Amino acid sequence: DAKTTQPPSMDCAEGRAANLPCNHSTISGNEYVYWYRQIHSQGPQYIIHGLKNNETNEMASLIITEDRKSSTLILPHATLRDTAVYYCIVRAYGGATNKLIFGTGTLLAVQP
Amino acid sequence: GAVVSQHPSRVICKSGTSVKIECRSLDFQATTMFWYRQFPKQSLMLMATSNEGSKATYEQGVEKDKFLINHASLTLSTLTVTSAHPEDSSFYICSAGQGNEQYFGPGTRLTVT
Repeated sequence: DAKTTQPPSMDCAEGRAANLPCNHSTISGNEYVYWYRQIHSQGPQYIIHGLKNNETNEMASLIITEDRKSSTLILPHATLRDTAVYYCIVRAYGGATNKLIFGTGTLLAVQP
Repeated sequence: GAVVSQHPSRVICKSGTSVKIECRSLDFQATTMFWYRQFPKQSLMLMATSNEGSKATYEQGVEKDKFLINHASLTLSTLTVTSAHPEDSSFYICSAGQGNEQYFGPGTRLTVT
C-alpha cells in the first residue's frame, strides 16, 4: 500500500469548515483514497472514499487533486463531536479482503 | 448499516493466563476479518487477517502461537491472547468487510496485571 502523509494535529472552530489535507504522492492507478476517523477509545468509523472524482456524502466531502497525489477531507460544519483522529489511507479497490494499513493520522480538535 | 460487535469490551486478567476476545458481524457475513492492536497515543497496527475456514495470515513480527485466531463461521472470529503478560495490555480492535467497505468493532481494552 502507498504511504500517506498527514499533519499530526489541527484545530478548528465549531461551526466552521474543517479541511484536512493528505499527501499520497506514490499512489497507484488502481488505489483509492479512504478516510476513517477514530474518536477516543472507540473503533474507527468509515467516512468516505474516492478514486479521482470529488465525492460527497452526508458526513463529508473529499477533494482529490487532478494528479491524485493529494486530497482534502472537508467537514463542512465541524461540531465538538467531530473531535477525533482522522486517517487517510490508500488501498486497492477489491472488496472486503483488502487490508487497511493505518498511518499516524491527524488529531482534529474542534474548539467551542 | 453493517454492525460489528466485540466481546468483552474490557477485560482484566492475571499474568500468565489466556484471554479470548470475540468479534461478530451482526447483520452480514464476512469471509475475512482483521485484528488490530493499538497502544496508547499510537495508531492501529494490523496484527492478522482472519479467513473463514482456513488459517489466519499474520503480519510480520506478530507471534502466531501467542495470538491464536479462529474464524469458524462467517459471523465470528476469535482472538486468544495466550500466556498474557503486562506488555500485551492494549486496545484490540477487529474489523469485518462487506462489499468494498470495512466496518470496525468498538474495541476491547485488555489489561494484564
